[in-house]
Amino acid sequence: QQKVQQSPESLSVPEGGMASLNCTSSDRNFQYFWWYRQHSGEGPKALMSIFSDGDKKEGRFTAHLNKASLHVSLHIRDSQPSDSALYFCAASEHPNTNKVVFGTGTRLQVLP
Amino acid sequence: ETAVFQTPNYHVTQVGNEVSFNCKQTLGHDTMYWYKQDSKKLLKIMFSYNNKQLIVNETVPRRFSPQSSDKAHLNLRIKSVEPEDSAVYLCASSYRGYEQYFGPGTRLTVL
Repeated sequence: QQKVQQSPESLSVPEGGMASLNCTSSDRNFQYFWWYRQHSGEGPKALMSIFSDGDKKEGRFTAHLNKASLHVSLHIRDSQPSDSALYFCAASEHPNTNKVVFGTGTRLQVLP
Repeated sequence: ETAVFQTPNYHVTQVGNEVSFNCKQTLGHDTMYWYKQDSKKLLKIMFSYNNKQLIVNETVPRRFSPQSSDKAHLNLRIKSVEPEDSAVYLCASSYRGYEQYFGPGTRLTVL
């Protein structure tokens, strides 16, 4: 069973809209999170990390972490067609560790 | 240019052949990784390696082996490929286990 589950599997939003992606870890040891984005034909690229409870904002992207429930979300404000990609949540036991587990992924499509 | 480079981009081979994929990073990182991305786009770590330790995912078949000449290079060898090895193989690097930087991947097709 996948330790890190993401939902939804796929999501479509209109250009300019808000996209919300979810991620939950089933292992209480894994409570440090990253969000990665993968465009077609490329490798994943890190968007942001979140290690503490609460919100973290970087530009149009806001991550929210609830350590008690091991749930992290990513919200993309003012979505652009260039945001269309596969989004991965990654969880680890420590902020800096070789042992990282990637989630199942959410495919986001932003419709012009 | 500082990045993670992988060769080849694509490789098609027959069952039972041996293949090798190359990865080089020019970011000055101390840790490198190999991931397998299957047809459902799931990312599974295969190996992580720094100058002190090789960590192998226990689910990786023994026909897979990493090969490193220095901390900037980590190649992947598959001794006798099988159809289920068809996938995209992604190389990544990081500094002290933080943010990982990925290469563009090598797509392997086993006929």
